Amino acid sequence: DTAVSQTPKYLVTQMGNDKSIKCEQNLGHDTMYWYKQDSKKFLKIMFSYNNKELIINETVPNRFSPKSPDKAHLNLHINSLELGDSAVYFCASSVRGFGGTEAFFGQGTRLTVV
Amino acid sequence: RKEVEQDPGPFNVPEGATVAFNCTYSNSASQSFFWYRQDCRKEPKLLMSVYSSGNEDGRFTAQLNRASQYISLLIRDSKLSDSATYLCVVNGARDTGFQKLVFGTGTRLLVSP
Repeated sequence: DTAVSQTPKYLVTQMGNDKSIKCEQNLGHDTMYWYKQDSKKFLKIMFSYNNKELIINETVPNRFSPKSPDKAHLNLHINSLELGDSAVYFCASSVRGFGGTEAFFGQGTRLTVV
Repeated sequence: RKEVEQDPGPFNVPEGATVAFNCTYSNSASQSFFWYRQDCRKEPKLLMSVYSSGNEDGRFTAQLNRASQYISLLIRDSKLSDSATYLCVVNGARDTGFQKLVFGTGTRLLVSP
């Protein structure tokens, strides 16, 4: 009964490969996010979707393509992986609410590109 | 200039100490503010929201100074279990209901026996 779940938890792959990370939330939230946490632990937003519609795209290389088949799922596909893509990727969700609302995070996917 | 700036620490304190973290943000249009906590190799979790009037939750007190664009977190009577990274978070979006949470780099706290 995990609220926000991501798979896989760990992903080791070679440069140039294409990989996907899946995210599902069972909280009934309308808004979902992808964040990247780099080696310096800096957590930066990549994308935000509300009810399957892209709201935020933070100048992420177009090798990264999010897909939201329904409001409970937000997957991240990465083409032609590069060494610099190695990081922890967190999925999150929140209700849409004025004044700011709590974001619930998944456990993270630790991606290592070799 | 980073949107949200924090001293990365680490802050090393003994159990029972009081410790304060500060944070500044650059976007004066920011609407809402939070402190999140992140344990090693875990996901961030909301610690508390920060209100203009200041707010307290047990041993934790948060303050906001909009004029100075400054947020603080005070932890009293530190426990070993408080050891973590504390992330200052600002909602940088306009108040449309769509939020863009901008995270600081975090301040690491180590509480020792």
